[in-house]
Formats: sequence, structure tokens, C-alpha cells
Amino acid sequence: NAGVTQTPKFQVLKTGQSMTLQCAQDMNHEYMSWYRQDPGMGLRLIHYSVGAGITDQGEVPNGYNVSRSTTEDFPLRLLSAAPSQTSVYFCASSPSWERTGELFFGEGSRLTVL
Amino acid sequence: DAKTTQPNSMESNEEEPVHLPCNHSTISGTDYIHWYRQLPSQGPEYVIHGLTSNVNNRMASLAIAEDRKSSTLILHRATLRDAAVYYCILRDVGSGTYKYIFGTGTRLKVLA
Repeated sequence: NAGVTQTPKFQVLKTGQSMTLQCAQDMNHEYMSWYRQDPGMGLRLIHYSVGAGITDQGEVPNGYNVSRSTTEDFPLRLLSAAPSQTSVYFCASSPSWERTGELFFGEGSRLTVL
Repeated sequence: DAKTTQPNSMESNEEEPVHLPCNHSTISGTDYIHWYRQLPSQGPEYVIHGLTSNVNNRMASLAIAEDRKSSTLILHRATLRDAAVYYCILRDVGSGTYKYIFGTGTRLKVLA
């Protein structure tokens, strides 16, 4: 099992550019989510999904879009990057949204917006 | 969403027990208490979770107060590898929100 795989690991963007952070899991987990972590801070929930075709907003959704067309993939899109979106992004999945399943995290994607 | 409160930082000597506290005074009956830790430059990893009863696993123990308004993560013998940020979060399975909300956590420093 690869677990939760995030790509790219590092990315530098210019203000106004768009990009997609990829997240894939091979554990057949129903629940997937995206967090951002600013330097020295905790994790803040951006968006989450309880299954294919179902997504919802977290604490800080503005500036980000998500979709969940398959169980395995949960991409995070930045439509017009801003310096305030410079952060480390973590994708996480869990076996079942209605149970107390533990979260499995990817290694993170470090994004710098100039 | 119910909130948790943790000390910003704690120190422990190597091979001594560590008790990491967490307050969650607004916890509801359907909130599970989860603990995660984040080693430097890594994503968080699951440590333990519980509802009402104390829980033990190979990594740690979780002691939950009788009124459930607080809990304590216990590392029985701290090692240098346990130096990390520890997060206490509430996992609500009853309200239909399905969110895992992290706070700022407790940074644990282990002294050799």
C-alpha cells in the first residue's frame, strides 16, 4: 500500500497563476480532506469529502476548489494564487466518515506564491 | 464545533513519563477524543482515540475524565523520537459535520 500520496511535493507559483495539488489514496477510504499549515501554526481544514460526488467546506475554503469524481482522488485547485496561500498543504483520508476512523496523512505539498 | 485547549509547550526528560493535558469543556456525548502527533517536517500521525473509557495502545495511553471535559495523553517513557507537536481533537460522529478540527497543539521537547 502506498497510503496517501500527494504531488507535487514542492511548487513555486506567481501571483494569479492556477494549479492543482493532487491527492490519491489506495486504501478505499470514503473520507478525504485537505488542510493547510502555515509556519509555526496548527492545521486548518480547507475542504473535505465523505464520498465520491460529495464535498463540503471546512474552516478556510476561500480561494480553493475541490471535486471528488472517484473514491481514490481528491484534487485541490487554486484558481488564482495569492501570497497568502503560501503554506504546506496536507491531504488526509479516513476509512469511514460515520465512524471514529483515524486519519491517514500524506507527506505534504509545500507551496510558495511569489 | 467543540473546541480543545492545550498548553503551547511542555518539556520532559528522556525515559520519564509525560502527561499531556487537553481541556474540552464543551464536548458533546457523541464526540470522540482523538490524539495525533506531528514530527518535524512530517504530516501528522494518529496516536490514539477514545470515547469514555481509558484506552491503551502500543504508542500511548489515553485517560479520560469521568465528566469527559478533559483528557490526558500519557507517554510512559519519553524518548527523543517523541519530540513532536501533539494535537488533541474532537471527532463528532453525531452531528453530521464529519470534521476533524485541529488546534495549535502542544510542542513537546524531550531532554536527553
